[in-house]
Amino acid sequence: DAGITQSPRHKVTETGTPVTLRCHQTENHRYMYWYRQDPGHGLRLIHYSYGVKDTDKGEVSDGYSVSRSKTEDFLLTLESATSSQTSVYFCAISGSRPTDTQYFGPGTRLTVL
Amino acid sequence: EDKVVQSPLSLVVHEGDTVTLNCSYEVTNFRSLLWYKQEKKAPTFLFMLTSSGIEKKSGRLSSILDKKELFSILNITATQTGDSAIYLCAVDAGNNRKLIWGLGTSLAVNP
Repeated sequence: DAGITQSPRHKVTETGTPVTLRCHQTENHRYMYWYRQDPGHGLRLIHYSYGVKDTDKGEVSDGYSVSRSKTEDFLLTLESATSSQTSVYFCAISGSRPTDTQYFGPGTRLTVL
Repeated sequence: EDKVVQSPLSLVVHEGDTVTLNCSYEVTNFRSLLWYKQEKKAPTFLFMLTSSGIEKKSGRLSSILDKKELFSILNITATQTGDSAIYLCAVDAGNNRKLIWGLGTSLAVNP
């Protein structure tokens, strides 16, 4: 398995609080992604990174920010959590070669009360 | 707009049956099509397809791509209860390795 970890694995928080999720990789891959997965919506891209300090928005980026200060870490921050952000969050990584595929971290289950 | 459509959305079969899952796509810059399996955890990679007509095979699972008709199929023969999962199809359209995802097919294999 690709070396990807996510922390925390589970979190319960209250509406209005900031939350930061961490994705850590040991593969030295260039690309990193944050997804959320909800029933009926499949996997939706929140933000992605194509290098250190290089990030861009995905399709559901409102209310989220990211940072990537080093290759191995990609942080996702919910600036002020809302109940609509209750979801399972997956981090994924990919190399640059055409044959590279995305590999997923174990996921973080976030509940916003 | 680029899109990936999977069918059926859900499927219930009995052990030993053969199933065919479908994935059609419309993208402006196709690079590859990928299949993933998701049990009650993170998606895991199954196949990457880039050329038409070349079957990829792994045990009882196989997949093929038709770039003219813009679709792929995933076949599972002699299904087992352990095949119960969501099967996800995604297309790499060449934009920073971002994938365009289908909604998945939920497969339940009953004993």
